[in-house]
Amino acid sequence: KQEVTQIPAALSVPEGENLVLNCSFTDSAIYNLQWFRQDPGKGLTSLLLIQSSQREQTSGRLNASLDKSSGRSTLYIAASQPGDSATYLCAIYRGSTLGRLYFGRGTQLTVWP
Amino acid sequence: EADIYQTPRYLVIGTGKKITLECSQTMGHDKMYWYQQDPGMELHLIHYSYGVNSTEKGDLSSESTVSRIRTEHFPLTLESARPSHTSQYLCASSDYLNTGELFFGEGSRLTVL
Repeated sequence: KQEVTQIPAALSVPEGENLVLNCSFTDSAIYNLQWFRQDPGKGLTSLLLIQSSQREQTSGRLNASLDKSSGRSTLYIAASQPGDSATYLCAIYRGSTLGRLYFGRGTQLTVWP
Repeated sequence: EADIYQTPRYLVIGTGKKITLECSQTMGHDKMYWYQQDPGMELHLIHYSYGVNSTEKGDLSSESTVSRIRTEHFPLTLESARPSHTSQYLCASSDYLNTGELFFGEGSRLTVL
């Protein structure tokens, strides 16, 4: 079974800081990795999808990298804002038709003004 | 923008009632999922479907049932709700034939008194 670990579990920072959220996984045979954001009581919003053949993806102030050999992905948030406060989850997809996504427990981020 | 919709968003009912949580997507995705999530906790896969007339149980045992009569529709039913069913239920669909990207609805928060 795929194990997905996210560190840290919680993070509180002042506005303007650059952040790195970490995701590690045990099986390098992944098809893709997806980062999500979840606001309290809401569903998950897809932030970035990295295919197994890619090393990174960027969207605005977000940059996600993938290193399959070491079983790690990082989500970099530049110039954090209070609106970035949410829980960030990573998920691994193994890619077979029977495959499913394996989620980490998430990193709860608080950005204070 | 993801086109996946869940109703109701919030539901408070008494013990013993039958309830159906609706989930519809307009993206033509074959694969759909139901996750259960308690506040501040990880997501648990309870049901998934590969396509019409195909349903499977997920990792977490659930007393709910699902059906998939149409590609776009994946309802979840509880025949007799109990307080232990109080949770948030998240529906998702994936573009697994292409990128495998997963899209979530806003969730249905169920409270059973």
